Amino acid sequence: QQQVKQSPQSLIVQKGGISIINCAYENTAFDYFPWYQQFPGKGPALLIAIRPDVSEKKEGRFTISFNKSAKQFSLHIMDSQPGDSATYFCAATPWDNYGQNFVFGPGTRLSVLP
Amino acid sequence: DSGVTQTPKHLITATGQRVTLRCSPRSGDLSVYWYQQSLDQGLQFLIQYYNGEERAKGNILERFSAQQFPDLHSELNLSSLELGDSALYFCASSVDGATDTQYFGPGTRLTVL
Repeated sequence: QQQVKQSPQSLIVQKGGISIINCAYENTAFDYFPWYQQFPGKGPALLIAIRPDVSEKKEGRFTISFNKSAKQFSLHIMDSQPGDSATYFCAATPWDNYGQNFVFGPGTRLSVLP
Repeated sequence: DSGVTQTPKHLITATGQRVTLRCSPRSGDLSVYWYQQSLDQGLQFLIQYYNGEERAKGNILERFSAQQFPDLHSELNLSSLELGDSALYFCASSVDGATDTQYFGPGTRLTVL
């Protein structure tokens, strides 16, 4: 129940295309869903996050879509650029003002071809 | 640069040994998190501290321990090391330890031979 599933494992997209990464969870206690971007040799960096009170959140070219009933959420990268080539992790945790216990998906390696 | 510093950058040691990884959070951040990233286990949350107090515990082995000091830096101690402990260890920090943005350090790569 603690697992977060993520697909695909790797993704190749042409420049200007749309990249879509999907995640699914089982634990209904999860109610905060961040996405992290990690470049080789660097630590992960928060990209965008959503809570289940909204079905979509957009920040620039990045959009999270959230389906609470299906317990699924996805990251859409519009107009994908070669600079977006990185590994993307979805994560989930209960919203807690005391402490956090994030569970991460296994990651998706995105390659955007020029 | 996230503002989180980790030392050392690389560490090579032998099985059965003990090592200490150090993390300095961003200025003003009270909470520190430790993560392990390996090829087979992915990114795993280990433990969180807030202002010196343990706040959340993830998949941290009993051979591992951590603490946060009064100056807010944190140390992760790994003992009785096994080959499978070889991984990247990341520290992250955030302002208040609730669900706010975590800033990750560059990581310490541990190799156990």
